[in-house]
Order: sequence, then C-alpha cells, then structure tokens
Amino acid sequence: NAGVMQNPRHLVRRRGQEARLRCSPMKGHSHVYWYRQLPEEGLKFMVYLQKENIIDESGMPKERFSAEFPKEGPSILRIQQVVRGDSAAYFCASSPPSVAEDYGYTFGSGTRLTVV
Amino acid sequence: SQKIEQNSEALNIQEGKTATLTCNYTNYSPAYLQWYRQDPGRGPVFLLLIRENEKEKRKERLKVTFDTTLKQSLFHITASQPADSATYLCALNTNAGKSTFGDGTTLTVKP
Repeated sequence: NAGVMQNPRHLVRRRGQEARLRCSPMKGHSHVYWYRQLPEEGLKFMVYLQKENIIDESGMPKERFSAEFPKEGPSILRIQQVVRGDSAAYFCASSPPSVAEDYGYTFGSGTRLTVV
Repeated sequence: SQKIEQNSEALNIQEGKTATLTCNYTNYSPAYLQWYRQDPGRGPVFLLLIRENEKEKRKERLKVTFDTTLKQSLFHITASQPADSATYLCALNTNAGKSTFGDGTTLTVKP
C-alpha cells in the first residue's frame, strides 16, 4: 500500500501562473482533505471532498482556488494566477468513510509551492 | 470564536523523563480528538484518537486524556527518547468530517 501520494514534491511558479497539485488517496479511502501550512504555522483546513462532491470548502479562498476529486483519477487543487502569499506547503490527507478506533487521517508528504 | 491552543512554548526535556503536552479548546463540542506527530519537511503522522466518552487512551509509551468539562486533552510520552523530538499536533473533530488542527508544540528531548 503506497499511502497517500502527492506530486510534485516541489513546485516553483512565477507570479500569475497556475499551480496544479495532485493527490492520490490511499486505496479504499473515499474522503480527501486539503490543508495549507505556512512556515512555522499550523495546518489550516482548506477543503474536504468525496468522489465527485465537495463536502466542505469553508477554508478555501473565494477567488483563484478550486479543488476537485473526479470519479477517476487523483484529487486536484488548482491555484490560478499565483501570488507570493500562496507560497506554502500543501498537504493532502485521506480517510475511509468512518474513523475507526486506531485510524486517523493518512497524510501525504506535501507539495511545497514557491512563487517567485 | 472557536479556538484550539497548544503549549505556546517549545518544550525541552531530558531523556527518560515524561513529556506532557497540552491542548485546550474553546467553543467546540468535539466528537473526538486526535494527536499527530510531524517531523520537519514531512506530513503529519497519526498517533492516537480519543472519543468524547473516553477519559484515557494508551498506546505503548503514549497516553492521552480527554476532559470535556475542562475542554482539555493532555498527551504524555513516558521514558522519552531523543527520537521523540518532533512537533506534536492535536486535532478536533465534530461529526461533520473535517479535522481542525492546533498550531502544534515542538518537543526536544535531550540526551
């Protein structure tokens, strides 16, 4: 079991370009969560998705950010027209439908976005 | 507003001692609470989960308590080792699905 796979690990974009971050959840997990972490800060919730549905996007900025989790393929977090303030580590986590006794979220290794 | 507070300072302890980390929350009614470990440059790793109707949970050298009256969870690492040095995050969950994380406490265990 490969765990949660995120790619790319590092992404450099110039201001105004688009950033596309990918996340493949663990096998058997149908729930995906995206979090953003700024240097020396905690994880901030962005969006919670199930296959083909956005369940909670209360943490997503209103503009330039979007997320999807299609029926086939990975979940995608898209940031359009990136600005320097978007530079951060973006983590994806997955979980099965119900949280079991000894099973929390499984996180990927993150994508570190640098906007230059 | 909802708030999660972990030890505001970094925690430094001597090897072999017990590390105790605190997670306090306000304006939440969590169904369960989780603790994670995060190493630099890595994603968080799940450690323990405790539900609202549980007082204490243990796993090897780890112990978590959950007091819904005090709105507090304590996370203990007994017989600490330098390899336990990391940032520890608490996360609260309602039954709505998402986890909300505290900012973490950085633990350093000195040999």
